[in-house]
Amino acid sequence: GAVVSQHPSWVICKSGTSVKIECRSLDFQATTMFWYRQFPKQSLMLMATSNEGSKATYEQGVEKDKFLINHASLTLSTLTVTSAHPEDSSFYICSARDRTSGGPYNEQFFGPGTRLTVL
Amino acid sequence: SQQGEEDPQALSIQEGENATMNCSYKTSINNLQWYRQNSGRGLVHLILIRSNEREKHSGRLRVTLDTSKKSSSLLITASRAADTASYFCATDRIQGAQKLVFGQGTRLTINP
Repeated sequence: GAVVSQHPSWVICKSGTSVKIECRSLDFQATTMFWYRQFPKQSLMLMATSNEGSKATYEQGVEKDKFLINHASLTLSTLTVTSAHPEDSSFYICSARDRTSGGPYNEQFFGPGTRLTVL
Repeated sequence: SQQGEEDPQALSIQEGENATMNCSYKTSINNLQWYRQNSGRGLVHLILIRSNEREKHSGRLRVTLDTSKKSSSLLITASRAADTASYFCATDRIQGAQKLVFGQGTRLTINP
């Protein structure tokens, strides 16, 4: 299957700082990218959906000014956690799909995740 | 918001036994997918079953889909210690934006 990479794989930062996480589709054009958050022993919660070149659509309860998403190209999306606080510590997973292929059955590919710890 | 619910939330069986996990969802779907996640790691895609399919096999995995009951099951036969992981179903809904929404997951423990 297609490969999605994330960088960094883990990051530790001080409270109040901003952290940027990159998500790249390595061998396909990701017309749509998704950002999920997962707390320990819980499921993945969708945070936002972004289409290349347009603004992200955030799920209910997710602060768009806190979680800035940029999908500037067909292979790169970034999530910036602004003014991070300890409660933002979580596992962030990006995902991508190529909506131009496969119709309604196209697969969504997942990155390996980024573990964020805010001290 | 979560689309699906899975049961059981946790399952512990002996190596060699079969493990069955169930997933229920609420809205009409294009497809349903099952994923595995080892502790602290990323997701591994297991099977995608389309809305017009009723059963699908992949190695020791068997997935069924009943769209009339809005439910799916994942059967792992002849379980191994390496199957210990969390298993999630995810639905791809027909209406609205195409995006996968995950169930709560089942934590499977295979005892040697």
